[in-house]
Amino acid sequence: NAGVTQTPKFQVLKTGQSMTLQCAQDMNHNSMYWYRQDPGMGLRLIYYSASEGTTDKGEVPNGYNVSRLNKREFSLRLESAAPSQTSVYFCASSSPDRGVYEQYFGPGTRLTVT
Amino acid sequence: QKEVEQDPGPLSVPEGAIVSLNCTYSNSAFQYFMWYRQYSRKGPELLMYTYSSGNKEDGRFTAQVDKSSKYISLFIRDSQPSDSATYLCAMSALGSGYALNFGKGTSLLVTP
Repeated sequence: NAGVTQTPKFQVLKTGQSMTLQCAQDMNHNSMYWYRQDPGMGLRLIYYSASEGTTDKGEVPNGYNVSRLNKREFSLRLESAAPSQTSVYFCASSSPDRGVYEQYFGPGTRLTVT
Repeated sequence: QKEVEQDPGPLSVPEGAIVSLNCTYSNSAFQYFMWYRQYSRKGPELLMYTYSSGNKEDGRFTAQVDKSSKYISLFIRDSQPSDSATYLCAMSALGSGYALNFGKGTSLLVTP
């Protein structure tokens, strides 16, 4: 099992450009999450998908959109990137039978917006 | 003020020392308490979780929850250089949906 995979690993964007971060999990988990991690701010939830077909806003959703493509895949889109979106982005997944607390994280995408 | 507070450190200890990592919180509805470990340039991985108050032990690691003081701790016995990482506490409330509230993380360095 690969667990949670994310692409790309690194990305540099210019202000105003758009991009989609991809996430996939092979653990048959129902729930998936997108976080951003900034120095001194910790992990903050951007969006989550409790199950296929549903998405909900987290703590910091502004400037982002998500798509739960199927049970395996959950993508995060930046429509018009801003320097404030420079961060490390983590995708995570969990399964109800193991509890919401046991979230499995991907390796992260390091995004720089200039 | 964030609901979960965690001293960012850094904390530097010699190999073999006992390490104490702590978080405080303000939301009395929190009932699930977790500790994640994050190595440099990697994603967080779950170390331990506890439900409600009390202690839980797993090898060299002990998680402790004091709900009356709104205080949780992670103790690492016989610390090893391989324990050098950032440790994140996280909490959630029953019925809160899927939200995990993370602390900012404490950076730990164990020197040989």
